[in-house]
Parts: sequence; C-alpha cells; structure tokens
Amino acid sequence: NAGVTQTPKFQVLKTGQSMTLQCAQDMNHNSMYWYRQDPGMGLRLIYYSASEGTTDKGEVPNGYNVSRLNKREFSLRLESAAPSQTSVYFCASSESTGLPNEKLFFGSGTQLSVL
Amino acid sequence: ELKVEQNPLFLSMQEGKNYTIYCNYSTTSDRLYWYRQDPGKSLESLFVLLSNGAVKQEGRLMASLDTKARLSTLHITAAVHDLSATYFCAVRLSSGNTPLVFGKGTRLSVIA
Repeated sequence: NAGVTQTPKFQVLKTGQSMTLQCAQDMNHNSMYWYRQDPGMGLRLIYYSASEGTTDKGEVPNGYNVSRLNKREFSLRLESAAPSQTSVYFCASSESTGLPNEKLFFGSGTQLSVL
Repeated sequence: ELKVEQNPLFLSMQEGKNYTIYCNYSTTSDRLYWYRQDPGKSLESLFVLLSNGAVKQEGRLMASLDTKARLSTLHITAAVHDLSATYFCAVRLSSGNTPLVFGKGTRLSVIA
C-alpha cells in the first residue's frame, strides 16, 4: 500500500526561487495537512484541507500557498523561497469521519534547503 | 489557543532503566495521540487516548491520560536500544474536526 506519497524527497533552492511540493494519498481520506518540522520546534501546521474544496491556514502559513487539486492530492507552493523556509515538510491525511480515534497518516517527508 | 508541552526534550537512558515522558496541554481535550519518529523517517502512530484514565500499553511502552490534570505520560519500562527515537504527543480539541497540535518532541537515546 502506497499510503501518503510526497515528492520530491530532497530539494535545494536559491532564495527567491519557487517550487511546489506534491502530496497524494490513496486511502480515500477526506482531510489532508501540511506540517513543517524544525529542530527543537516539533511539527507546526502550515495549512490543512478538511475536505475537498476547502483549505484553512494553520499556525505558520506565511510564505506558502496550497491547492487541494482533488480528493487525493494536496500541494504546497513556495512562491519566493526564503532561508527561513529551510525545513522538513510532511504531508499527512486522515479520514475525518468525526470519530475521535482516527489517526493521521504521514508521508515520508521532503527535506528542503533554501540557500 | 491550544499549546502542548513535552518534557524532557532530550533523554539519555541506560538500557534496563525505567523513565517517564510528560505531555501537558493547555485546553480541555480528551483526545491525545502519541507518535514515534525514527531518525530521518516519518511519524508512526503509537497510541490514541480518548478518555480520562485511559491507559494503553504496547511492549515496553505504556501511555496514560488524565484529562483533569491535562496531562499524559509515556512510561518506558526496562529500556532497550530499539526504543531510541523521538516521541511526540499531539492533542486535538474536543469539539469539531480540528487538526492535531504537536508537542516539540522528546528525543530518547538508550545507551548500553
């Protein structure tokens, strides 16, 4: 089972360049999320999509945009990359049935360096 | 605003010893999750705790939840090297379908 697939796994950008991180899930989940992980900061939510057609800001949305392309895919775009966006990015998904015991399933992460 | 605090953030344990990781959160919730992350890897779910007094155990790990104290603990019994990883707790607000808020993680290193 593929689960949550993120591409690319590694990326180096120069300041000011743009790029899109791709995420796809094959579990028919309703909700999808983008987190960033920085040393000593845990995981912080950038944006999420509770269902197809909706997106909402998380804790650290500045400098990012998202697109929920369809139920399967949720992309994260950096329009003008900055060194402060150097991080590991994780995509996640969940069923969002409303049941409290549902879990998040994570992708393998994208390590992004902005020089 | 929901805040989640873990301590300690770093923990070096000897094999065979016991220790507890603490997770405090700031807002009423009865939905608490523990995740494990191996170096360079993604996160995998360990436990889901959904009510006051809930206790879950798997192998040498046992998690509990006290919603009145807004506290969860992850207890490690007779640590072994394979438990070396970073452990995160995460909390979801009781009402609504809201995203998880994660603690900063506890990096555990088990040494011989």
